[in-house]
Amino acid sequence: GQQLNQSPQSMFIQEGEDVSMNCTSSSIFNTWLWYKQDPGEGPVLLIALYKAGELTSNGRLTAQFGITRKDSFLNISASIPSDVGIYFCAGRNSGNTPLVFGKGTRLSVIA
Amino acid sequence: DTEVTQTPKHLVMGMTNKKSLKCEQHMGHRAMYWYKQKAKKPPELMFVYSYEKLSINESVPSRFSPECPNSSLLNLHLHALQPEDSALYLCASSHLGQGLYGYTFGSGTRLTVV
Repeated sequence: GQQLNQSPQSMFIQEGEDVSMNCTSSSIFNTWLWYKQDPGEGPVLLIALYKAGELTSNGRLTAQFGITRKDSFLNISASIPSDVGIYFCAGRNSGNTPLVFGKGTRLSVIA
Repeated sequence: DTEVTQTPKHLVMGMTNKKSLKCEQHMGHRAMYWYKQKAKKPPELMFVYSYEKLSINESVPSRFSPECPNSSLLNLHLHALQPEDSALYLCASSHLGQGLYGYTFGSGTRLTVV
């Protein structure tokens, strides 16, 4: 089946630093999504990408849909303590196929 | 209303109990999903309902029984569970069709089987 490789697995950064994480796929996706999950809660959608090459921002977050359609990255600028959590990438290749999730990046921010 | 509501938030059940998890959305989404998530792992797909019909069952044991009574509700009936079934159970919904849409997740039910 389809697999997503998400890296890094975990990150420890100082408050104010920028963060970058990425996801690669063994097959082409038509949608890339980035979610954040806080402990004991469900994943919350941060950014959705629907076109190859698309670059989309949501506040301090920026994500890009790779032009090969097999990768995506998420950047967080000027990190703050509430950015702590697990970030998941997810992709799907049609409107009727289930999402495939990456294994997550656990972000810790040191104040 | 842009939420998926799951109840209960926490559930502790014995291995001989029968219980149900409930999920509700009023966004007009015609696809609904159950996921199981263990600690420090990504969500794992269990079931997909499309237009109130079960379209995907990811080889889930029969002690988990989904039900979709209408386009807004999704239930997961639990019976004779094992301690290893303890996990966060997430419900999600999305649009269907030619468009490419993200999922909206509920906050989950934290299930503990004792």
